Amino acid sequence: EPEVTQTPSHQVTQMGQEVILRCVPISNHLYFYWYRQILGQKVEFLVSFYNNEISEKSEIFDDQFSVERPDGSNFTLKIRSTKLEDSAMYFCASSLGPTSNQPQHFGDGTRLSIL
Amino acid sequence: GEDVEQSLFLSVREGDSSVINCTYTDSSSTYLYWYKQEPGAGLQLLTYIFSNMDMKQDQRLTVLLNKKDKHLSLRIADTQTGDSAIYFCAEHRDTGRRALTFGSGTRLQVQP
Repeated sequence: EPEVTQTPSHQVTQMGQEVILRCVPISNHLYFYWYRQILGQKVEFLVSFYNNEISEKSEIFDDQFSVERPDGSNFTLKIRSTKLEDSAMYFCASSLGPTSNQPQHFGDGTRLSIL
Repeated sequence: GEDVEQSLFLSVREGDSSVINCTYTDSSSTYLYWYKQEPGAGLQLLTYIFSNMDMKQDQRLTVLLNKKDKHLSLRIADTQTGDSAIYFCAEHRDTGRRALTFGSGTRLQVQP
């Protein structure tokens, strides 16, 4: 069964550094998402992406964050000038369409640890 | 508003049924989802139900939806130790914000 893959599985970065989290969505999916889960808290929506542009973003997704689809397969989340509070599990997801009857399929996540 | 609530912990014996409950507040939700997260793993889609349905069954899983009370439950029949995980319910709307809104997750512990 096709799946969403994320790399790396664990990223350790010094505070203030930039980090790029990578995702390969399911190949025929058109909508891509990033969510995060701070330890002990709920899974929170960050951003959705379609047709090479952001279609929706949450209040968390400020100027520190950016997303990109640099080629036909990868979808990346860049976090500039990382802060301690950016430490979390980051999940990528993809779906065929944006409507609620098109399930979002998730990767295994990247655990980001900011020191 | 948009808030999804779940109880935090459930412990059952192997072979018993498990019932995990969820309440949501957004009346415009159209699909409600259940995801499973095993330790160190991602969110695995288990099942989902359209908000005009009352029940959906898929092998050992039964989803019940009470739209009037905005209450959703996931029943796992003949629970196995491999079912031990965190179970998240999530709502998805077709109006306003279309992202998934997750509950805090219920940790299911299955005792042998």
